[in-house]
Amino acid sequence: ETGVTQTPRHLVMGMTNKKSLKCEQHLGHNAMYWYKQSAKKPLELMFVYNFKEQTENNSVPSRFSPECPNSSHLFLHLHTLQPEDSALYLCASSQETQGRTEAFFGQGTRLTVV
Amino acid sequence: QKEVEQNSGPLSVPEGAIASLNCTYSDRGSQSFFWYRQYSGKSPELIMFIYSNGDKEDGRFTAQLNKASQYVSLLIRDSQPSDSATYLCAVGVYNQGGKLIFGQGTELSVKP
Repeated sequence: ETGVTQTPRHLVMGMTNKKSLKCEQHLGHNAMYWYKQSAKKPLELMFVYNFKEQTENNSVPSRFSPECPNSSHLFLHLHTLQPEDSALYLCASSQETQGRTEAFFGQGTRLTVV
Repeated sequence: QKEVEQNSGPLSVPEGAIASLNCTYSDRGSQSFFWYRQYSGKSPELIMFIYSNGDKEDGRFTAQLNKASQYVSLLIRDSQPSDSATYLCAVGVYNQGGKLIFGQGTELSVKP
């Protein structure tokens, strides 16, 4: 079992659909993140949660809505997405210790918006 | 100015050679530095991290950090075709919730 598990691995959705991405970490970490990776662009940080509290929202459109019910689970709720939102969505976790933040990634969800 | 900058490549080296990957960053408050390897269609895998100036070696990999020059590098000795991947440099800043800023990645191709 990998340390950070994401489901689903692939998702195709229409622009009017509502779907959710799920992330679970089994590493006992206290911080979780959502990143977006689009073709030919650097990984973009979307949201940061420390001890279940959102500490970063990197100017992400409101059609992306994160939820962190506990320190092991993280969701990304999607609604009325646009085709340009098609990308690889990566979840990561880390143990925040004096700023030393080795982050470990899940396998990602490949999202296609049609 | 990009916060974390890498040569996009592709960088091509023959098998057995040393591959040198470079990264510069703009924020002098940066305190932690990471190298991730990403195979096509896969997620990033952490391969090295370094926090102090100097060199850090782990097997065939050596990370080098120079905070005065805001420069971090990754050397891969005895490169193998299996090292062919995109290498991502990431920089973390203390007290910012673990935010990592990534470079755009350098594609490495090791030719047999």
